[in-house]
Amino acid sequence: ETGVTQSPTHLIKTRGQQVTLRCSSQSGHNTVSWYQQALGQGPQFIFQYYREEENGRGNFPPRFSGLQFPNYSSELNVNALELDDSALYLCASSPEGGPPHTEAFFGQGTRLTVV
Amino acid sequence: AQSVTQLGSHVSVSEGALVLLRCNYSSSVPPYLFWYVQYPNQGLQLLLKYTSAATLVKGINGFEAEFKKSETSFHLTKPSAHMSDAAEYFCAVRLFGQNFVFGPGTRLSVLP
Repeated sequence: ETGVTQSPTHLIKTRGQQVTLRCSSQSGHNTVSWYQQALGQGPQFIFQYYREEENGRGNFPPRFSGLQFPNYSSELNVNALELDDSALYLCASSPEGGPPHTEAFFGQGTRLTVV
Repeated sequence: AQSVTQLGSHVSVSEGALVLLRCNYSSSVPPYLFWYVQYPNQGLQLLLKYTSAATLVKGINGFEAEFKKSETSFHLTKPSAHMSDAAEYFCAVRLFGQNFVFGPGTRLSVLP
């Protein structure tokens, strides 16, 4: 059983550019969530995908968008990057239909630096 | 809206001493509660979770937490700290079908 994998691990972008981050969910998990973790803070929910549809979103602007593919892998896209977008981006997967206390399994994250 | 408070952004203990990391939640309905640990430059790893089966929950690496509804708390403890416990600890709540809401985290330092 493979865990959640994210790529790339580190990325440096210039303000105004666009970035795509990728996530492969754990085997058998069809729900993927993305979180932003700024330095010294807890993770903040960006959005969640289930069966290729967005089914929940946090307080993030539309320039944060995503996709989920038939194999349940996912992408996070951020347009018009701002300096405040510098953070660790975490992907988490969980199985469908689990009990309410089902935990999410997290990847190691992508460290994005915007200069 | 749900919120999670973690009292103390940084806690230092001596090796072998008791570890106590505090978590309080704000929810109109009993949430599902989790503790995650984050080692430097890594993602989050589940330590333990409250499933309503028992108020005292045992997790990995000798950690445990007690759910107290009357205090809306879910504090994390470990009887004897080890150097390898140094990390960032996050308390999180989740209502059924919804996303996780994380606290701001507590950084644990273990002194030799």
